Amino acid sequence: QKEVEQNSGPLSVPEGAIASLNCTYSDRVSQSFFWYRQYSGKSPELIMSIYSNGDKEDGRFTAQLNKASQYVSLLIRDSQPSDSATYLCAVNTGGGNKLTFGTGTQLKVEL
Amino acid sequence: DTEVTQTPKHLVMGMTNKKSLKCEQHMGHRAMYWYKQKAKKPPELMFVYSYEKLSINESVPSRFSPECPNSSLLNLHLHALQPEDSALYLCASSPDRGGGTEAFFGQGTRLTVV
Repeated sequence: QKEVEQNSGPLSVPEGAIASLNCTYSDRVSQSFFWYRQYSGKSPELIMSIYSNGDKEDGRFTAQLNKASQYVSLLIRDSQPSDSATYLCAVNTGGGNKLTFGTGTQLKVEL
Repeated sequence: DTEVTQTPKHLVMGMTNKKSLKCEQHMGHRAMYWYKQKAKKPPELMFVYSYEKLSINESVPSRFSPECPNSSLLNLHLHALQPEDSALYLCASSPDRGGGTEAFFGQGTRLTVV
């Protein structure tokens, strides 16, 4: 079992719709969870961090964490073509500084 | 200012060359990372330095040698690389508050080994 799993996609949504991206992780002691956006040829950019169960909202982005189910998700409301990118879920594993990435989900927002 | 600066942006090197990648941050972060990313794959952790000491080495071949001269600088020394080592090399830093904190990435060095 991989430490952090995501559907690779591509996930296609129409402009203005809600995009839902999901991630599961295997290390029960993980405490910190992150979503990064990566455009083609660029480096990952941190867009959300979440540490407690529940929802965390920042603008059009909402991160959701359920530690009992070992599940973290990212919702993007009012999706725009500029949101088209690969979204990487990252989890601190091993109780320390080790940041492990999922394989990423490619999101395409269509006009 | 969340900025991590990597140099050079691009590097082409032969298999017998020795080169170094450099990374600098001025955010007062105490953890610094090297990641390797191949096309259409996620970043793969190589090394972590915490408070200038090597804390994680993900069984990286010895042809890659990290160095942390001070809390703001991180180098990756390259020697006798193989063509399959061609990739985007990413540096990142984080505050290292314990229990995991967010990491911020530099723009990367795109390395080609010929």
